[in-house]
Amino acid sequence: EPEVTQTPSHQVTQMGQEVILRCVPISNHLYFYWYRQILGQKVEFLVSFYNNEISEKSEIFDDQFSVERPDGSNFTLKIRSTKLEDSAMYFCASRRMDGGRTDTQYFGPGTRLTVL
Amino acid sequence: ILNVEQSPQSLHVQEGDSTNFTCSFPSSNFYALHWYRWETAKSPEALFVMTLNGDEKKKGRISATLNTKEGYSYLYIKGSQPEDSATYLCAFFQGGKLIFGQGTELSVKP
Repeated sequence: EPEVTQTPSHQVTQMGQEVILRCVPISNHLYFYWYRQILGQKVEFLVSFYNNEISEKSEIFDDQFSVERPDGSNFTLKIRSTKLEDSAMYFCASRRMDGGRTDTQYFGPGTRLTVL
Repeated sequence: ILNVEQSPQSLHVQEGDSTNFTCSFPSSNFYALHWYRWETAKSPEALFVMTLNGDEKKKGRISATLNTKEGYSYLYIKGSQPEDSATYLCAFFQGGKLIFGQGTELSVKP
C-alpha cells in the first residue's frame, strides 16, 4: 500500500543552524502539508502546498520557514535558523484532492527535530 | 480561535473491555471530522472521515458517531485488545487543513 515517507527519522542540530526535512508524498497526490507537534501539545498545522505554491500558512510559518517541491517526488521543509522552540515532531501529509472535505490526509511517520 | 477538545486524556482498560471517548468541536461551519490512530514511531493511521450529522462508521471493532448540531463525535472500541493501545486523535477539517484535538491515549492491559 502506498505510504508517505519522511527522512530523517531524527535530526539533532545546534541553534541557528539550517535544517531540511524531507518527505516523499504518495505519488498521485496533489496537496501536501506540514504539521508539527511540540511535546505535550496538540498537532498543529504549519503550511499547505498545491500546484507548486503555498495555499495557506499558519502564524507559526514565518520567514524562517520555507517549503519546496524540488522534483516530482520530494517535498521539503526548510528551517533557516533553528531556535530551541522549533524542537518538535514534524509530520508531512498528502491527499489526492478529488473529494475535498472527505479526502483522507495520509501522514508520514514524522521527523523528530531536536534543537540544542 | 477554533478549539477541538478530546476526553479523557488517557484511559487504562483491561483486555476485553469496551471503551469510548469523545471529541468536541465547534458546531458552526462544519465540513468534516477525521479520526486517526497513532502508535509511537509510526504514521498516524486514518480511521474515519465523517461528514454527515448522524453518521455512524465502523471498521472492525472500532466505530464512530457524529453529532454536528451539538458538536461532538464518539469513538467506540468493542472488546479492547492490547494491540488497540495507541493515541486516538480527532481533527476538524477547516479550509483544507486539519485542526487537531490533544488526543486520547489508550492503554489496554492483557
